[in-house]
Amino acid sequence: SAVISQKPSRDICQRGTSLTIQCQVDSQVTMMFWYRQQPGQSLTLIATANQGSEATYESGFVIDKFPISRPNLTFSTLTVSNMSPEDSSIYLCSSLAGGPETQYFGPGTRLLVL
Amino acid sequence: GQQLNQSPQSMFIQEGEDVSMNCTSSSIFNTWLWYKQDPGEGPVLLIALYKAGELTSNGRLTAQFGITRKDSFLNISASIPSDVGIYFCAGRNNFNKFYFGSGTKLNVKP
Repeated sequence: SAVISQKPSRDICQRGTSLTIQCQVDSQVTMMFWYRQQPGQSLTLIATANQGSEATYESGFVIDKFPISRPNLTFSTLTVSNMSPEDSSIYLCSSLAGGPETQYFGPGTRLLVL
Repeated sequence: GQQLNQSPQSMFIQEGEDVSMNCTSSSIFNTWLWYKQDPGEGPVLLIALYKAGELTSNGRLTAQFGITRKDSFLNISASIPSDVGIYFCAGRNNFNKFYFGSGTKLNVKP
């Protein structure tokens, strides 16, 4: 398994500002992912964070809005840029561990944009 | 694209009762995963299934990977108040892409 931590755990931000969320895994992993979970909803994949190359974004998500860094095999950041109230959500980091078949999640970052 | 249908959407049960929830897909999966999410927390992996027909238990939880590879169920026996939460299924396809169900919200009355 993998133990994943995220910082910050929650934040309240003003519209138009940006927030960077950090994700740390306790072991080296090949794949890391970023998800968004809106209140009462399921998980939506934002992007796959690739080590040493640009992230791969899902339909509806763009790099200008959600820039991602992956400087090494244990760490990634997601920035939510130029925030609006619609960005209020839980942002979750995850990684594959024990092979490509099992995904583990961090505790999430609860973002409220006013 | 692939869709995962999870049911029921919510359940209200009495403590001690057994619970069953399931997920079905329009396409086959190679892996089925079941998660529980408590309020204010990230999803926690409960059971992972890797082979069609596989039946796996984790304490009071039992899950099965359907023979057709298009469905999975999760059973909870003798429910207790701490079972309250939202349960998600997830499937992994041939392209190593994961899809998540919409969740089953479980409420347990003491």
